[in-house]
Amino acid sequence: QKEVEQNSGPLSVPEGAIASLNCTYSDRGSQSFFWYRQYSGKSPELIMSIYSNGDKEDGRFTAQLNKASQYVSLLIRDSQPSDSATYLCAVRNTDKLIFGTGTRLQVFP
Amino acid sequence: EAQVTQNPRYLITVTGKKLTVTCSQNMNHEYMSWYRQDPGLGLRQIYYSMNVEVTDKGDVPEGYKVSRKEKRNFPLILESPSPNQTSLYFCASSLLGDEKLFFGSGTQLSVL
Repeated sequence: QKEVEQNSGPLSVPEGAIASLNCTYSDRGSQSFFWYRQYSGKSPELIMSIYSNGDKEDGRFTAQLNKASQYVSLLIRDSQPSDSATYLCAVRNTDKLIFGTGTRLQVFP
Repeated sequence: EAQVTQNPRYLITVTGKKLTVTCSQNMNHEYMSWYRQDPGLGLRQIYYSMNVEVTDKGDVPEGYKVSRKEKRNFPLILESPSPNQTSLYFCASSLLGDEKLFFGSGTQLSVL
């Protein structure tokens, strides 16, 4: 079992819809959780971090964490074509930051 | 402008020819790290450094060397590159205790 798992996609959603990206992790001791966005040919960029159970909202983005289920998700409301990218889930346990393989999101007009 | 600068952006080389990929940051970050990104495998950590003269192995250190003689620089050295080191490489940095990693623009390496 991979330490951080994501569906590779692509996840295709129409413009204006909600995109839901999911991530599961194997280490129950994990403490911090992150979502990075990576445009094609570019470097990853941090868009959200979450540390405790529940929801965290930042503009059109909402991160959700459920430690009991070892599950973290990212919701993108009012999806735009400019949101088309690969979204990487990352999980930290003490000094170790583990990245998932990413989910490719396509938002079509 | 705050940034992590990697060079070169693209590199094609042959098996066994030593190469160095440079990484420099201008944000006075203590923490620096090298990752490789491969399709289906995601980002995997090669080496990291918590401060000058302090380096540690990540998940895939075999075939790589690093040094941290100055705070701003963290070069990645491939003493004898092999085709399985063909990959996209990223350098990243952050303040210690700060979760936000700043990534360089990447180096696409091909070893023939």
